[in-house]
Amino acid sequence: TQLLEQSPQFLSIQEGENLTVYCNSSSVFSSLQWYRQEPGEGPVLLVTVVTGGEVKKLKRLTFQFGDARKDSSLHITAAQPGDTGLYLCAGKTNSGYALNFGKGTSLLVTP
Amino acid sequence: DAGVIQSPRHEVTEMGQEVTLRCKPISGHNSLFWYRQTMMRGLELLIYFNNNVPIDDSGMPEDRFSAKMPNASFSTLKIQPSEPRDSAVYFCASSPQGAGGNTIYFGEGSWLTVV
Repeated sequence: TQLLEQSPQFLSIQEGENLTVYCNSSSVFSSLQWYRQEPGEGPVLLVTVVTGGEVKKLKRLTFQFGDARKDSSLHITAAQPGDTGLYLCAGKTNSGYALNFGKGTSLLVTP
Repeated sequence: DAGVIQSPRHEVTEMGQEVTLRCKPISGHNSLFWYRQTMMRGLELLIYFNNNVPIDDSGMPEDRFSAKMPNASFSTLKIQPSEPRDSAVYFCASSPQGAGGNTIYFGEGSWLTVV
């Protein structure tokens, strides 16, 4: 069973549109991270959230950690083709040693 | 600064052959991870080393898989014998301390195809 469920699995939108992707779990995480992976490369960290209810902004990207620290969302405003990639959430529980990754949301932004 | 370096980048091998994947973590990082990525299962943690010692190998699929970290600057993941279902992208990653809230830096991956 997957500890972190991401939705949607695939998303194809046009440049300029807004979108939100979700990361949900029944487990509580001490921290949650979002990574972006481009084809042929490894994932690269975008942000880390550690406090329930925390909101972080990275240019056009807004990340939110749920109050109960079980879920997170990533909102992209005015998407651009350069945003295309696989967005992965990853969380660490208090009892775990390493990060557990979701399967990711594959985003395609067309001009 | 050099990132995590993996080799080979691509490997195609026949079923039954031994495969060895190599990783050089970022200098100064004391945690090293091997992950496997497939479409069906996503990114799965295979094994986690801290200060060259295997801490959690519960993700290693079976005895055909083994990993070593003889020193702080080198690790290997070996599959013997390889099977077609082992085809995947294998990522090595390192972190300055553990994985809790700290950045994990991934290599570019080793793309393995077993035919």
